[in-house]
Amino acid sequence: ETGVTQTPRHLVMGMTNKKSLKCEQHLGHNAMYWYKQSAKKPLELMFVYSLEERVENNSVPSRFSPECPNSSHLFLHLHTLQPEDSALYLCASSQEGYSNTGELFFGEGSRLTVL
Amino acid sequence: KNQVEQSPQSLIILEGKNCTLQCNYTVSPFSNLRWYKQDTGRGPVSLTIMTFSENTKSNGRYTATLDADTKQSSLHITASQLSDSASYICVVSGRRSGGYNKLIFGAGTRLAVHP
Repeated sequence: ETGVTQTPRHLVMGMTNKKSLKCEQHLGHNAMYWYKQSAKKPLELMFVYSLEERVENNSVPSRFSPECPNSSHLFLHLHTLQPEDSALYLCASSQEGYSNTGELFFGEGSRLTVL
Repeated sequence: KNQVEQSPQSLIILEGKNCTLQCNYTVSPFSNLRWYKQDTGRGPVSLTIMTFSENTKSNGRYTATLDADTKQSSLHITASQLSDSASYICVVSGRRSGGYNKLIFGAGTRLAVHP
């Protein structure tokens, strides 16, 4: 099992569809993240969950809805998206604490295309 | 404003040659600096993490340097291989808040190694 697993790897959806991205980490980490990566732009932080509590919601539109049912699983629910939401969505996890560097471990990403 | 600037944006080198990628940052306070390698269509993978007290760190053919006074870092790749073709992302960790480290991402340098 790889450290951080994302499914699906590719998703094509219409603007009226509802879909979900799934992320699972097998590293025993206590924090999980959703990032958006658009072409030639820096990664944009969307959401952070630390100890299963959402600690960051980086001004993300409500059509993106995260869910963290436990420390190993993270979902991103998608509803009525726009074409400009097409991007690579990356999940990451880290072990946070004052004695940790908080190194991020990324999944392989979910490539989303909104038609 | 906290920023991470990388140069060059893109670089083409011949297999076997060395190259150096640059990262300048204005993040304050500073916790650590990370370099990630991202193959096309895949998630970033950590190469090195350096704290302010470390001025050089190696990972195989990759050597990162850090000058915390001038707020500059470089990633040197020795004897490049075709598999080094990827984007290299500089990430600076700033203040700790909400139980995790705030990360500022650079836009990356896209490296192409040609035979």
